[in-house]
Amino acid sequence: AQSVTQLGSHVSVSEGALVLLRCNYSSSVPPYLFWYVQYPNQGLQLLLKYTTGATLVKGINGFEAEFKKSETSFHLTKPSAHMSDAAEYFCAVILTYTGNTGKLIFGQGTTLQVKP
Amino acid sequence: EAGVTQFPSHSVIEKGQTVTLRCDPISGHDNLYWYRRVMGKEIKFLLHFVKESKQDESGMPNNRFLAERTGGTYSTLKVQPAELEDSGVYFCASSRRDSRASDTQYFGPGTRLTVL
Repeated sequence: AQSVTQLGSHVSVSEGALVLLRCNYSSSVPPYLFWYVQYPNQGLQLLLKYTTGATLVKGINGFEAEFKKSETSFHLTKPSAHMSDAAEYFCAVILTYTGNTGKLIFGQGTTLQVKP
Repeated sequence: EAGVTQFPSHSVIEKGQTVTLRCDPISGHDNLYWYRRVMGKEIKFLLHFVKESKQDESGMPNNRFLAERTGGTYSTLKVQPAELEDSGVYFCASSRRDSRASDTQYFGPGTRLTVL
């Protein structure tokens, strides 16, 4: 069965440090890939997505992710963490079979803590 | 432009009661999705409307759940009768009318349902 795995349910970094949130998927065909963020008491907000083209995708708030087909990965990074980055992050995929109109399959989520 | 709104934000009911959740998508968005996150688990797809038609309801857990989208605008999700395992956060999302799977889904803040 297709799935999305986020390594680490909680990640803690110091302010100014590199943020690396890991996401791997299992699918026989490369899917569309998404990262969403949820701040407290808010809905999920799209950070970035990969559908086709350049495999390094830049998103909002300084985040970026790289699609690596050989590793079936789509890890999220940010060079320097800010206190406002503290939130829960979700990796998700949409399988690209004919007739699929957008069912997102989510990973378990990773809570990012940023320490001053 | 108003985002996706959901009502109520919280609902606490007793087992066996009925609850109706409402979602108002972004104006003009034909695609409407329902997702659910049970505590400690990943966010899971429930169903997808295109306008007023159910496009995919493969994620609906059982026949105690009934979703409607009369007139292709807002949607309701009724749980009758509610069971303890129905507790969780119910998210609604919408995307624009192109119906491409890669279109960004915009999420509402969710309804937290607690069944006692």
